[in-house]
Amino acid sequence: DVKVTQSSRYLVKRTGEKVFLECVQDMDHENMFWYRQDPGLGLRLIYFSYDVKMKEKGDIPEGYSVSREKKERFSLILESASTNQTSMYLCASSFNLQTYNEQFFGPGTRLTVL
Amino acid sequence: AQSVTQLDSQVPVFEEAPVELRCNYSSSVSVYLFWYVQYPNQGLQLLLKYLSGSTLVKGINGFEAEFNKSQTSFHLRKPSVHISDTAEYFCAVTRGNSGTYKYIFGTGTRLKVLA
Repeated sequence: DVKVTQSSRYLVKRTGEKVFLECVQDMDHENMFWYRQDPGLGLRLIYFSYDVKMKEKGDIPEGYSVSREKKERFSLILESASTNQTSMYLCASSFNLQTYNEQFFGPGTRLTVL
Repeated sequence: AQSVTQLDSQVPVFEEAPVELRCNYSSSVSVYLFWYVQYPNQGLQLLLKYLSGSTLVKGINGFEAEFNKSQTSFHLRKPSVHISDTAEYFCAVTRGNSGTYKYIFGTGTRLKVLA
């Protein structure tokens, strides 16, 4: 069965801290995505990666960076967390860049920045 | 550029009643259309998708959707809902050819099934 896992379900951090969100997929997918989900705004793409060490900015990359050192793992980094980054973060993966492919989602990490 | 509109942010419905969740999109090119469901405290999972061919698409859990090109709509329907269908539903669109990877998601519709 296809699986995308995220390192934490809930996370509480303080303003200014460096935060790492980890995502692992076991499907040998080429592409991995990080979304942010906020009420009334739906899902917004932060970054995606189409290969190891390759990344592209999504719609809201400011304040975030990513790392993909291994095919199965994609990390989202908040260099200096701020309260407006309190949100639900969803990781997803897909087989390749063909847009008809389904995206498989992890359960999400609810991050609170105090 | 593509966009997706889900006008209903919340839809309450009684158990065993039919339901329709509305999705309209705008695009100047051909599109692929998707419905995803998010159960409480879970990630999204695919309900169904339209790529081409028959405009009526059947998905999991008894859901179906109809692609209407002239009205640029892709409404989701179920003839009889269960309590377990309580969830948030997201419509999404992608370009129907190569050139972009991006999904555009709607803002979601929260379906609340009442006993």
